[in-house]
Amino acid sequence: AQTVTQSQPEMSVQEAETVTLSCTYDTSESDYYLFWYKQPPSRQMILVIRQEAYKQQNATENRFSVNFQKAAKSFSLKISDSQLGDAAMYFCALKGSNYKLTFGKGTLLTVNP
Amino acid sequence: EAGVAQSPRYKIIEKRQSVAFWCNPISGHATLYWYQQILGQGPKLLIQFQNNGVVDDSQLPKDRFSAERLKGVDSTLKIQPAKLEDSAVYLCASTKTGGKAYGYTFGSGTRLTVV
Repeated sequence: AQTVTQSQPEMSVQEAETVTLSCTYDTSESDYYLFWYKQPPSRQMILVIRQEAYKQQNATENRFSVNFQKAAKSFSLKISDSQLGDAAMYFCALKGSNYKLTFGKGTLLTVNP
Repeated sequence: EAGVAQSPRYKIIEKRQSVAFWCNPISGHATLYWYQQILGQGPKLLIQFQNNGVVDDSQLPKDRFSAERLKGVDSTLKIQPAKLEDSAVYLCASTKTGGKAYGYTFGSGTRLTVV
């Protein structure tokens, strides 16, 4: 069985500052993918960034980057230069050999002007 | 490309009534998922279709929930009879294949309130 844990129910950040959201996971597999999804009040889940477990290099998408620590089973998301539009629920998710996404409980990010 | 369409957007029903949700995935996406997202929690997989066949429905409460995907395109999820604990957002998602690298494309969901 695979599990995903997000220990921060809520986080806040000042506009233009940097914030890091934490995620840990557990899986017995060695080949899997990790994802961060954003869910704004519109409810539509939007893919932010993905990381392949076999790649050592951390993924980056514009202001979003991850810190992937495979041995520690940790996958944190860093948002740089935070914008008001970044305010949303953020979900960490894992996909293994069963090809199904397993989600964490989410972190609610507030961006203060 | 058009996204995943879901309807209705909101639904309020009384307990013991029945309700149905509809999903139209992205054209060409063979794999379709239904997730249940209870307030304050992450989405939980209910059922996965590959074309018009069920791949996994192990988390679907089959005494009250049913789902179908006729002709491998649109899908409907039904609850009969509804319970208070079924209040949640029901998300539909699709993907081209079931491969690990592919994220899902989600619809905007249906928010169900059972009173």
